[in-house]
Amino acid sequence: DTAVSQTPKYLVTQMGNDKSIKCEQNLGHDTMYWYKQDSKKFLKIMFSYNNKELIINETVPNRFSPKSPDKAHLNLHINSLELGDSAVYFCASSQAGPRGEQYFGPGTRLTVT
Amino acid sequence: SQQGEEDPQALSIQEGENATMNCSYKTSINNLQWYRQNSGRGLVHLILIRSNEREKHSGRLRVTLDTSKKSSSLLITASRAADTASYFCATGLDDKIIFGKGTRLHILP
Repeated sequence: DTAVSQTPKYLVTQMGNDKSIKCEQNLGHDTMYWYKQDSKKFLKIMFSYNNKELIINETVPNRFSPKSPDKAHLNLHINSLELGDSAVYFCASSQAGPRGEQYFGPGTRLTVT
Repeated sequence: SQQGEEDPQALSIQEGENATMNCSYKTSINNLQWYRQNSGRGLVHLILIRSNEREKHSGRLRVTLDTSKKSSSLLITASRAADTASYFCATGLDDKIIFGKGTRLHILP
């Protein structure tokens, strides 16, 4: 069984649209994350949720909004998509907080045209 | 600002040789982790070393940590084609984790 899953795997959309990426973990972890990996492979944390509460928000534009209906799910909603949002977005989870071992999803490649 | 910096950015070695990657960081840390990313995949955790540890082993992996020099190294012994991937270090301090830009390792047949 997949530990951390994301949907969709690929997402192609036009500028100005609103889109969501879903993430689910079946590991029973308390903390979930969203990362953005750019074309140069630089991985930057965007959000962290611990038991449904936001604990990190790393200077991300407010067009990005994480939503956590329960501790097993952390969805990412993006409004008014821009060209610069094109990247691979990874969901991850951990038991011991951001400093602990993290389990990553397979990624969602977002292309904004 | 970015914490970890891996060196080299890219490395190509013959299968069977050892591969060494380095990571330098700027501030104090609680721990340092190494992750592997195969092309088109998510990151996979390899090893975590705490700030009071100097060396750790896991199979063919050996990680060292020198907090006085603010650096860590990842050694992969007897490399295999399947080791071809990008390797990232990640430094942890309090409730933060910061990833470096990674080293792309290519194992030549």
